Amino acid sequence: NAGVTQTPKFQVLKTGQSMTLQCAQDMNHNSMYWYRQDPGMGLRLIYYSASEGTTDKGEVPNGYNVSRLNKREFSLRLESAAPSQTSVYFCASSRDSNYEQYFGPGTRLTVT
Amino acid sequence: TQLLEQSPQFLSIQEGENLTVYCNSSSVFSSLQWYRQEPGEGPVLLVTVVTGGEVKKLKRLTFQFGDARKDSSLHITAAQPGDTGLYLCAPPGATSGTYKYIFGTGTRLKVLA
Repeated sequence: NAGVTQTPKFQVLKTGQSMTLQCAQDMNHNSMYWYRQDPGMGLRLIYYSASEGTTDKGEVPNGYNVSRLNKREFSLRLESAAPSQTSVYFCASSRDSNYEQYFGPGTRLTVT
Repeated sequence: TQLLEQSPQFLSIQEGENLTVYCNSSSVFSSLQWYRQEPGEGPVLLVTVVTGGEVKKLKRLTFQFGDARKDSSLHITAAQPGDTGLYLCAPPGATSGTYKYIFGTGTRLKVLA
């Protein structure tokens, strides 16, 4: 089992460009999450999907959109990248909302 | 204002030393998780403490949940370089109100050989 996979691992964007971060899990988990991690700020929730077909905003959703494509996949889209979105992005999944979260290896995004 | 404050923020110690890190909140939680994140990787769950006053041991790591379930501590005995990483505490699930799936600010530990 691969667990949680994320693509790409690294990305450099120019201000205003768009991109989609992909995430997939093979553990048959119901819940999936997107976080960003910045120095001194810890992990902050962007969006989550408690179950297939539902998505909800987290602490820092502005500038992002998400799609729960199916039970396995949860993508994060930046429509118009800004330097403030430079960060490391982590996708995670869990059996249900109160269970252990399993994290992917992260995507390091730089916006210039 | 952070719901979960962790201290110290940074800690650099020699191999063999003992240390304690803390996770504090003004809110009461039904349970608390501790994760460790190694450089370049995602966090991995170490333990979940559930009952007020509970102590759990994981080899050289001892976790304690405060009696009032507002705080927790992690004690490492005889630290080793493999303990290096970012330690994060988190209440599992959607806690209350706007505080969903939150993590503490983290303690970054470096153990020198």
